[in-house]
Amino acid sequence: KQEVTQIPAALSVPEGENLVLNCSFTDSAIYNLQWFRQDPGKGLTSLLLIQSSQREQTSGRLNASLDKSSGRSTLYIAASQPGDSATYLCAVTTDSWGKLQFGAGTQVVVTP
Amino acid sequence: DAGVIQSPRHEVTEMGQEVTLRCKPISGHDYLFWYRQTMMRGLELLIYFNNNVPIDDSGMPEDRFSAKMPNASFSTLKIQPSEPRDSAVYFCASSLEGSEQFFGPGTRLTVL
Repeated sequence: KQEVTQIPAALSVPEGENLVLNCSFTDSAIYNLQWFRQDPGKGLTSLLLIQSSQREQTSGRLNASLDKSSGRSTLYIAASQPGDSATYLCAVTTDSWGKLQFGAGTQVVVTP
Repeated sequence: DAGVIQSPRHEVTEMGQEVTLRCKPISGHDYLFWYRQTMMRGLELLIYFNNNVPIDDSGMPEDRFSAKMPNASFSTLKIQPSEPRDSAVYFCASSLEGSEQFFGPGTRLTVL
């Protein structure tokens, strides 16, 4: 059974510092991995989707890497800003239907 | 595009009442997913549809829960009768060909 883990559960950094968020999964047979952002009381916003054949994906200040063999993905956010404060969730799909298995998330606070 | 639309945004009801949650997916998307989020269990997939056909409802917690998708632009999740432990945020998401999922803003359900 696929298990997705995100460590740490919470993280606080000063503005301007780079953020590094980790996601690990137990079954390397994934179709893709998706990173989301969730603001308090809001829905999930898709940040990046990495296909299983890709090693990384970039969008603006965000870069996500994928190492299937070791069951890990890392989300880098460069030059963090207070507006980056949110909970970040990773999720993997293990079938072509796109069924997502979520981690518990990392709550990030960027202090001015 | 307006994104995934859910209604109502908030629902407060009494135990034993019927609750109906509604979702309009992104136009052209062929997959629709219903999730539930609680503090204790995180995000859980309840059921998903492909081309309006239910594919996997193994996440539906009990027979009190049912979901329908009568056409490509509308889905409902019904709880009858509702119980206090059903209190959660319910999200609907849609995707094209099982790829990147886009979430709605959610319905916060409180059962008294």
